[in-house]
Amino acid sequence: NAGVTQTPKFQVLKTGQSMTLQCAQDMNHNSMYWYRQDPGMGLRLIYYSASEGTTDKGEVPNGYNVSRLNKREFSLRLESAAPSQTSVYFCASHGPQTLDSPLHFGNGTRLTVT
Amino acid sequence: KQEVTQIPAALSVPEGENLVLNCSFTDSAIYNLQWFRQDPGKGLTSLLLIQSSQREQTSGRLNASLDKSSGRSTLYIAASQPGDSATYLCAVRETGGFKTIFGAGTRLFVKA
Repeated sequence: NAGVTQTPKFQVLKTGQSMTLQCAQDMNHNSMYWYRQDPGMGLRLIYYSASEGTTDKGEVPNGYNVSRLNKREFSLRLESAAPSQTSVYFCASHGPQTLDSPLHFGNGTRLTVT
Repeated sequence: KQEVTQIPAALSVPEGENLVLNCSFTDSAIYNLQWFRQDPGKGLTSLLLIQSSQREQTSGRLNASLDKSSGRSTLYIAASQPGDSATYLCAVRETGGFKTIFGAGTRLFVKA
């Protein structure tokens, strides 16, 4: 049982480059999330998808776009990377009982923008 | 705006000691509260989830309590072991939505 899988694990970008972070879950969860984690700041929600076909902004959505490709996959795209987007990005999911079930996290993508 | 604070930011204890990690939140309108463990370079693993109507949850040597009216939760770890060394994060899910707000975590080091 793989749980939540994120690719790539590491990435270095130059300012202005674009990339897509991939996330897939095999637990038949309805809701999926993208967080970023910065030192001393905890995790901050970027975007989420409450169910297949819907996406909503979180706390820090500027500079990002998302796609809920199907029930399993939720991708995060940086169209023009900036040094301020250097961070560790985590994908999470929960369900199928939605709000009263715990969040399951992937192992993260460590992104450096130079 | 919901804010979650964890004190202390770091803690070092000798093996075998019982310890308490603290979490406070500013808005009592929460759906549930979760405690997570994060090992270096890894994702978060859910330890305990307390519904807003519950007072505590237990799993093995871990016990988490919730006092929603005062905006506080504690994670009690009994008979600590070096393998407990990790960062522990507290998070609250807001009522009426899908947003979970995280604290910055407490980094725990248990000395053998």
